[in-house]
Amino acid sequence: AQSVAQPEDQVNVAEGNPLTVKCTYSVSGNPYLFWYVQYPNRGLQFLLKYITGDNLVKGSYGFEAEFNKSQTSFHLKKPSALVSDSALYFCAVRDDSGTYKYIFGTGTRLKVLA
Amino acid sequence: DTGVSQDPRHKITKRGQNVTFRCDPISEHNRLYWYRQTLGQGPEFLTYFQNEAQLEKSRLLSDRFSAERPKGSFSTLEIQRTEQGDSAMYLCASSPGLAGNEQYFGPGTRLTVT
Repeated sequence: AQSVAQPEDQVNVAEGNPLTVKCTYSVSGNPYLFWYVQYPNRGLQFLLKYITGDNLVKGSYGFEAEFNKSQTSFHLKKPSALVSDSALYFCAVRDDSGTYKYIFGTGTRLKVLA
Repeated sequence: DTGVSQDPRHKITKRGQNVTFRCDPISEHNRLYWYRQTLGQGPEFLTYFQNEAQLEKSRLLSDRFSAERPKGSFSTLEIQRTEQGDSAMYLCASSPGLAGNEQYFGPGTRLTVT
């Protein structure tokens, strides 16, 4: 069965510092991995995805994520955090077995302090 | 492209009543998903459609829940005999037909069962 874990409920970081939001996954086949962001009173927005190819993927708003197959991780990163990055971040996964069912993590609240 | 829309945005109902929500996906997207999200949790998969076919339904979904996508365009989610535990945000998302594509989410319908 597919599963996703986001071990941190909240991450605090000072503006201008690098940030990391952690995600680990479990799938039976090859993973398709996604990050979404949710701002207050708004729908989830897609940030980036890993399907195949380079382990480092770049996405919207300067975010990037690194796929690590041996550690089954897909951590979200940004070199320099902005106050406007404060939001709720979700990792999601599905496998390549033919189902299009996605499993989401419980979310990590990112708080960037000015 | 006006994005994914959902109607209504908010619904308050009394326990035992039936409710129906509507989702209009992005027009060229052939996959449509329903999720439920409660406070502090990530989106929980309910069901998905490819065109008009309902391909997968969560085992967590009781038989009080039913979803349709009769012409492969808009979809409805009905909850019969609502219970207080049904109170949640109901999210709809759509996606193009290719395997690795991300989902586009609507703003959600917040259901409160009193």
